Amino acid sequence: EAEVAQSPRYKITEKSQAVAFWCDPISGHATLYWYRQILGQGPELLVQFQDESVVDDSQLPKDRFSAERLKGVDSTLKIQPAELGDSAMYLCASSLRRWGPQETQYFGPGTRLLVL
Amino acid sequence: AQSVTQLGSHVSVSEGALVLLRCNYSSSVPPYLFWYVQYPNQGLQLLLKYTSAATLVKGINGFEAEFKKSETSFHLTKPSAHMSDAAEYFCAVSVNTGFQKLVFGTGTRLLVSP
Repeated sequence: EAEVAQSPRYKITEKSQAVAFWCDPISGHATLYWYRQILGQGPELLVQFQDESVVDDSQLPKDRFSAERLKGVDSTLKIQPAELGDSAMYLCASSLRRWGPQETQYFGPGTRLLVL
Repeated sequence: AQSVTQLGSHVSVSEGALVLLRCNYSSSVPPYLFWYVQYPNQGLQLLLKYTSAATLVKGINGFEAEFKKSETSFHLTKPSAHMSDAAEYFCAVSVNTGFQKLVFGTGTRLLVSP
């Protein structure tokens, strides 16, 4: 069964350092999502791609966060510089179609970030 | 704006007992509703979704949920809890703006005791 891959699974970094997370969606999935999940809360959408284009980054802190999905396949989320409040689980998800509120999102295992 | 409220951050049941996890939604248009499960240190897995085809939705692992418009609810149930059901459960609503945007609740942790 195809799965969404993410790496690394765990990352510890110091405040002000740069970190990067990688996501490989299920093959053929047009839409890719990055979420942030703070401990004890539900996931919050950071950015959504359709193919290689960003369609929603309204909740992405653009002064320190960036995301790209070159060639519309895998994606990288970067934080520079990291702050203590960035400690969270970062989840990647993908869905098959570009449109449709009923689409199923398939989630990867996540990257747990700890900023010291 | 669409939102969901999950009542109870923790629910404890005994093995074999009924599981009931509550979710109420707020939406100005017909919503699409989802239940996801998250096991420790893992991503989310879809349990079931409501897409207006039927008000009673059956999902994986014996779970089901009933959409009640009059009560703006989409509660998740399972007749008999199993130890393996212990996890975090999230209700989510999809905003109908063409492309999908899921808004999640704060989650309910299900504890199952022997």
